[in-house]
Amino acid sequence: DAGITQSPRHKVTETGTPVTLRCHQTENHRYMYWYRQDPGHGLRLIHYSYGVKDTDKGEVSDGYSVSRSKTEDFLLTLESATSSQTSVYFCAISEGTSGSYEQFFGPGTRLTVL
Amino acid sequence: GENVEQHPSTLSVQEGDSAVIKCTYSDSASNYFPWYKQELGKRPQLIIDIRSNVGEKKDQRIAVTLNKTAKHFSLHITETQPEDSAVYFCAASRPSLNFGKGTSLLVTP
Repeated sequence: DAGITQSPRHKVTETGTPVTLRCHQTENHRYMYWYRQDPGHGLRLIHYSYGVKDTDKGEVSDGYSVSRSKTEDFLLTLESATSSQTSVYFCAISEGTSGSYEQFFGPGTRLTVL
Repeated sequence: GENVEQHPSTLSVQEGDSAVIKCTYSDSASNYFPWYKQELGKRPQLIIDIRSNVGEKKDQRIAVTLNKTAKHFSLHITETQPEDSAVYFCAASRPSLNFGKGTSLLVTP
């Protein structure tokens, strides 16, 4: 597996609380992505980053923000968690744009919002 | 944006048989088509990919075909084994990956 870790791996929180998920890579890849995975929906892109401080929205970005202050770390923040954000969150990395380079996934974070 | 349809959603085959999973995409500018395998509770793992300048690619028991004119691509697994049981996802890139909803493959001994 590529050098990607996610923390925490599991989290249970309550509606309205802020939550931050961390993705850390040791591959020095330029691109980093956050996806959510829900039954019946496959993987959907939330946000991605193409460099330090360079980020853009994906398909399901509402309610989420991201930050990338270092090449190796990409943070996903739920400012005020809702039950609809209960999901498994995967981080992914790629050396270049996903049209040219493979994406490798982290182990995932299971988030439950009560 | 890109829309990827994947069929079937579930597939059950006997060990040793072949399995075929099909995907269609909507954006003719998509140029990269990976396939991922995801075992229960694990991360998606890339198993094979194909780029738009190639019609077919093979890796041991796994092959992928691409028909750009019809905008569809398929995953073929031959001589299936119980360890092939997993959920398989196709994706199309332009350049962000858009995933199909997955196919749950069950290989019974």
